[in-house]
Amino acid sequence: DQQVKQNSPSLSVQEGRISILNCDYTNSMFDYFLWYKKYPAEGPTFLISISSIKDKNEDGRFTVFLNKSAKHLSLHIVPSQPGDSAVYFCAASDTGANSKLTFGKGITLSVRP
Amino acid sequence: DTGVSQDPRHKITKRGQNVTFRCDPISEHNRLYWYRQTLGQGPEFLTYFQNEAQLEKSRLLSDRFSAERPKGSFSTLEIQRTEQGDSAMYLCASSPPGRPNEKLFFGSGTQLSVL
Repeated sequence: DQQVKQNSPSLSVQEGRISILNCDYTNSMFDYFLWYKKYPAEGPTFLISISSIKDKNEDGRFTVFLNKSAKHLSLHIVPSQPGDSAVYFCAASDTGANSKLTFGKGITLSVRP
Repeated sequence: DTGVSQDPRHKITKRGQNVTFRCDPISEHNRLYWYRQTLGQGPEFLTYFQNEAQLEKSRLLSDRFSAERPKGSFSTLEIQRTEQGDSAMYLCASSPPGRPNEKLFFGSGTQLSVL
């Protein structure tokens, strides 16, 4: 049972345009959400997070939006750069229950020069 | 800040052998996690330590798996009687004092191949 779903396995965008990566979750107890980026042969690197008390968090070119009623979040990258090409994982946690993060399967983003 | 270090980076073993992986977290981090990632999947939680205490274990962690963090610093993950299904990337992560779910710092992982 996938509690965190990243239904699109890949996304290709032109350099300078916006990248929108989507994530859905099913567990209504999740209250903290994170995005990680992973390059080949490296571990995942934290990118940005959002608490369920917010609906938007911004850090430079990266913005995460949370729609709790739809159990949906998205990561916007503007403008996209070739160095952003990587696998992006959405993760969620129920901070009151335990210490684990539940990850989606990831989306491979390719930014074309 | 030297980051989370994992050793070895790659391990090839025959089915039935025992293997042990090591993780050195970031020095001031008191929380340490093990995750496993298979091809096409996201990382899956295995276990969590706060200092030397193992506070959580996943159902994925069968009796053949054991993890330790003897002095609250480095950690080891041992797999006994390896099976082909154990082939995966084993990721270690650490986090500083505070809310445990926030901003984990991952190592580069140990890629295990069981032949």
